[in-house]
Amino acid sequence: SQQGEEDPQALSIQEGENATMNCSYKTSINNLQWYRQNSGRGLVHLILIRSNEREKHSGRLRVTLDTSKKSSSLLITASRAADTASYFCATAAQSGNTPLVFGKGTRLSVIA
Amino acid sequence: DAGVIQSPRHEVTEMGQEVTLRCKPISGHDYLFWYRQTMMRGLELLIYFNNNVPIDDSGMPEDRFSAKMPNASFSTLKIQPSEPRDSAVYFCASTPGGREETQYFGPGTRLLVL
Repeated sequence: SQQGEEDPQALSIQEGENATMNCSYKTSINNLQWYRQNSGRGLVHLILIRSNEREKHSGRLRVTLDTSKKSSSLLITASRAADTASYFCATAAQSGNTPLVFGKGTRLSVIA
Repeated sequence: DAGVIQSPRHEVTEMGQEVTLRCKPISGHDYLFWYRQTMMRGLELLIYFNNNVPIDDSGMPEDRFSAKMPNASFSTLKIQPSEPRDSAVYFCASTPGGREETQYFGPGTRLLVL
């Protein structure tokens, strides 16, 4: 069963705008990861946030985690057409290399 | 490094035929995962290995599916006999183990069973 549920399912914005995607999950986690998938390609890891962290930054990416609400958000600032892809959150229940449970993703379209 | 390599990239077969998907993980990675992606169910874990040993195969749909990892650099996922509902994109991913928890995905095999 799916652990993460992304919201919205699809998002369309203009280049230069910010994009915010949300993820909710059901059970306790050790860490939450965000991945990007370009059409017809495999998933690429973007960022990992641990359960004891509240916010993390990587370039134009900002991730927040609220364990009390079992939710996370991914913010992409100053979006570019190249950011067009599907974005997935994935949760790990334990530390170490346990399998990830993925949500169904948000499809982001950035219009030039 | 070449990354995770999967073959074939596309496979079209008829119902009842045997299908074998192949994966070469990144050298030195101790963990290998097989996932399946469909529109209806999203990404689902099928099975994963640690040091070539299957750890959890509870995601394997049924006995028609089997997976092996005969050595650290090669794994197969076999479907026999295949059915139309097996049509999906199958991904292989690997991770080094230890403190590194990022999974590195291959490009996937797009399977269509007619």
